[in-house]
Amino acid sequence: ELKVEQNPLFLSMQEGKNYTIYCNYSTTSDRLYWYRQDPGKSLESLFVLLSNGAVKQEGRLMASLDTKARLSTLHITAAVHDLSATYFCAVDFYLNYGGATNKLIFGTGTLLAVQP
Amino acid sequence: SQTIHQWPATLVQPVGSPLSLECTVEGTSNPNLYWYRQAAGRGLQLLFYSVGIGQISSEVPQNLSASRPQDRQFILSSKKLLLSDSGFYLCAWSVTGLNTEAFFGQGTRLTVV
Repeated sequence: ELKVEQNPLFLSMQEGKNYTIYCNYSTTSDRLYWYRQDPGKSLESLFVLLSNGAVKQEGRLMASLDTKARLSTLHITAAVHDLSATYFCAVDFYLNYGGATNKLIFGTGTLLAVQP
Repeated sequence: SQTIHQWPATLVQPVGSPLSLECTVEGTSNPNLYWYRQAAGRGLQLLFYSVGIGQISSEVPQNLSASRPQDRQFILSSKKLLLSDSGFYLCAWSVTGLNTEAFFGQGTRLTVV
């Protein structure tokens, strides 16, 4: 079964602290994406990770991909209130279909609340 | 540049009534199109995806159907809504290739009463 799991589901953070969100997936893939969703809004693309060892950084967020461990991490450095949102990872399991599936399976999401 | 339009933004419908949500994409040809649903406080569930006109794949059995009458138009429908159809519906597009990053519309919040 193709599954994408995130943890934690909820993360209450203090401003200025560092935290990590984890994304595990069930079978082989080297295409992983991170999205952000603000309350009541749609999804905004954050990072595209397309190979083992890929690392992307934007501001206080850094995402990495380990395809051998089937794990991606989203690291938050010195959290600020503006980062409060729900974060989703999504995986394209194209290798399981013998080629391009052109579809993403999303994780359960991590609700991030940054407290002053 | 590419843009995606989804409407309406909010919708309140009685149980048993029909549904039609529309999504259009501009600035790209032959996109892959998707309908996702998000229940309150939950993750995204892929409902339908389409790789071309008239080609629809359904991911889960449900009370909904999808159609793609034109290259850049994707429609989500129901003949009779159920209470369980309430949720936040998101249309998305991507382009076939190494990078299958999906770009989302603004969403439709559907409440079935």
